[in-house]
Amino acid sequence: GQQLNQSPQSMFIQEGEDVSMNCTSSSIFNTWLWYKQDPGEGPVLLIALYKAGELTSNGRLTAQFGITRKDSFLNISASIPSDVGIYFCAGQLGTDKLIFGTGTRLQVFP
Amino acid sequence: GAVVSQHPSWVICKSGTSVKIECRSLDFQATTMFWYRQFPKQSLMLMATSNEGSKATYEQGVEKDKFLINHASLTLSTLTVTSAHPEDSSFYICSQGRGDTQYFGPGTRLTVL
Repeated sequence: GQQLNQSPQSMFIQEGEDVSMNCTSSSIFNTWLWYKQDPGEGPVLLIALYKAGELTSNGRLTAQFGITRKDSFLNISASIPSDVGIYFCAGQLGTDKLIFGTGTRLQVFP
Repeated sequence: GAVVSQHPSWVICKSGTSVKIECRSLDFQATTMFWYRQFPKQSLMLMATSNEGSKATYEQGVEKDKFLINHASLTLSTLTVTSAHPEDSSFYICSQGRGDTQYFGPGTRLTVL
């Protein structure tokens, strides 16, 4: 099935550092969503973006919907140990199915 | 709080048996629910879209006769893996469509021996 390209594939950072990850697609989407998945659990919605160029924050998280509607990035500021997990982007057309990114695995060291 | 629940959270079965996984919407009447499969260290792949009161729509490559989906009410969708084999071992996750977003259940770990 189709997947979005997400980079980096994995990150190993020290607590307190900022993190940036992005997601690109060859297709246009109307909605970009960012999820976090902990081991053995379902993804949890972090941020939803609905408009090209939109910049949205949720606490220490900031995400932007690219102007071309083909990309999005997620930033995490001042990382903490509980940020550890896998981050997935997902693109959606209308209320149709989601297409997921390949995921970015984040590891935070104290 | 959780808006989607799944049962069971894990199941181990013998090869050849059938397994039913339930997905419940806790606070919302969902006309559409989605079923995903996730293999270890991989992303989520959509298997099918479950529509209340009608037949599910399956993604290419997903056998509809093997993965039976029933969405009989606005709060319950079930996925039955028929004649399960070891290669069906995976993490099965459902989600509830709500507007332009989806909320996911906690997942069901299926292990087929």
